[in-house]
Amino acid sequence: EAQVTQNPRYLITVTGKKLTVTCSQNMNHEYMSWYRQDPGLGLRQIYYSMNVEVTDKGDVPEGYKVSRKEKRNFPLILESPSPNQTSLYFCASSLSSIQETQYFGPGTRLLVL
Amino acid sequence: GQNIDQPTEMTATEGAIVQINCTYQTSGFNGLFWYQQHAGEAPTFLSYNVLDGLEEKGRFSSFLSRSKGYSYLLLKELQMKDSASYLCAAWGYSTLTFGKGTMLLVSP
Repeated sequence: EAQVTQNPRYLITVTGKKLTVTCSQNMNHEYMSWYRQDPGLGLRQIYYSMNVEVTDKGDVPEGYKVSRKEKRNFPLILESPSPNQTSLYFCASSLSSIQETQYFGPGTRLLVL
Repeated sequence: GQNIDQPTEMTATEGAIVQINCTYQTSGFNGLFWYQQHAGEAPTFLSYNVLDGLEEKGRFSSFLSRSKGYSYLLLKELQMKDSASYLCAAWGYSTLTFGKGTMLLVSP
């Protein structure tokens, strides 16, 4: 089944404790991205990757890191999480970066205490 | 820059027709998407417009006017399950920018 998977789905952590949210797609998509969704603010792009080893900042990159060492995986890293990073996170992928439908993972709900 | 506006909330009755509007200002505009999102779930694709005009897909239709920076999503024969948030999103260069979403409540 073609899909985007994220792990974990739910996470409670404390300020400053490094964490990684994994994202994987099995559709051989080139383009992958991370979004966060907050009430009243909608979906905002954090980082995106147009292909392996090519990543770039979205609208809200501060406090986040990403890597794209393999085509299928695009982990999101929070080196030192803070409470303002409490949010619902979505990973998405598409065949390419232009005029392609993005397919979303199920979401990761993160609470930083 | 990117700016997308859509109404925050709309209400409609089962069986009716509703139109959700979206205006955008997007650098390097390539096309416009509509996604549906139920509470706590991931967005799912509804439609994509590149050229001006109306695209019809079952009960859902989407319209685009590139010169006016305007799109709408038309939902016909509304059902209770259509209660959801509807997200307008514009491709600009290499990024997809979303509006804040329109929460549609369908009542019996």
